[in-house]
Amino acid sequence: NAGVTQTPKFQVLKTGQSMTLQCAQDMNHEYMSWYRQDPGMGLRLIHYSVGAGITDQGEVPNGYNVSRSTTEDFPLRLLSAAPSQTSVYFCASSYGSALYGYTFGSGTRLTVV
Amino acid sequence: GDSVTQMEGPVTLSEEAFLTINCTYTATGYPSLFWYVQYPGEGLQLLLKATKADDKGSNKGFEATYRKETTSFHLEKGSVQVSDSAVYFCALSDQGTSYDKVIFGPGTSLSVIP
Repeated sequence: NAGVTQTPKFQVLKTGQSMTLQCAQDMNHEYMSWYRQDPGMGLRLIHYSVGAGITDQGEVPNGYNVSRSTTEDFPLRLLSAAPSQTSVYFCASSYGSALYGYTFGSGTRLTVV
Repeated sequence: GDSVTQMEGPVTLSEEAFLTINCTYTATGYPSLFWYVQYPGEGLQLLLKATKADDKGSNKGFEATYRKETTSFHLEKGSVQVSDSAVYFCALSDQGTSYDKVIFGPGTSLSVIP
């Protein structure tokens, strides 16, 4: 089925480890973004991309890197995991303007111990 | 900066009850407004939207009207079902920037009991 695919669904990391959260979409959407969801805080934008080769920072970018080498893929890298990065991470894509609505992946639940 | 405020939950209702979830916003420009819904274990889904003052968005029996004078976008449904149990997020997108980022409220959890 067409949509946004995130892997893994669950991950436990030790403090200081690095890892990459994968996100892929098959809808030819130009816009892709990463959010983190924390209790009582809603979703906060980490990084976003308006097309292949173009990325920019969102509200809470520290500790995360992204790249966009293809239209389909938008991986999120944690450089040195910290307990404060324990969260649920969502990747989203849209055709263009947010007016078209975002399509979200099912999320990655990350725990850093 | 832009922000969205929602009523705190959790909200618990009996089946067929009337639902209202309050949402107010602060924005410097003329934002578009959205309601997203998140079912357990899933990502968010767009429920409805409105792009200008007095617009009414509707979907699956839910409605919300863009009220510029009160900066509000309250979500309503006349008769809720158990399957409506989910977390509801109010959001705005201000097209005044080069990338129309979406700002989400904290979410309101709804539980509907039979």
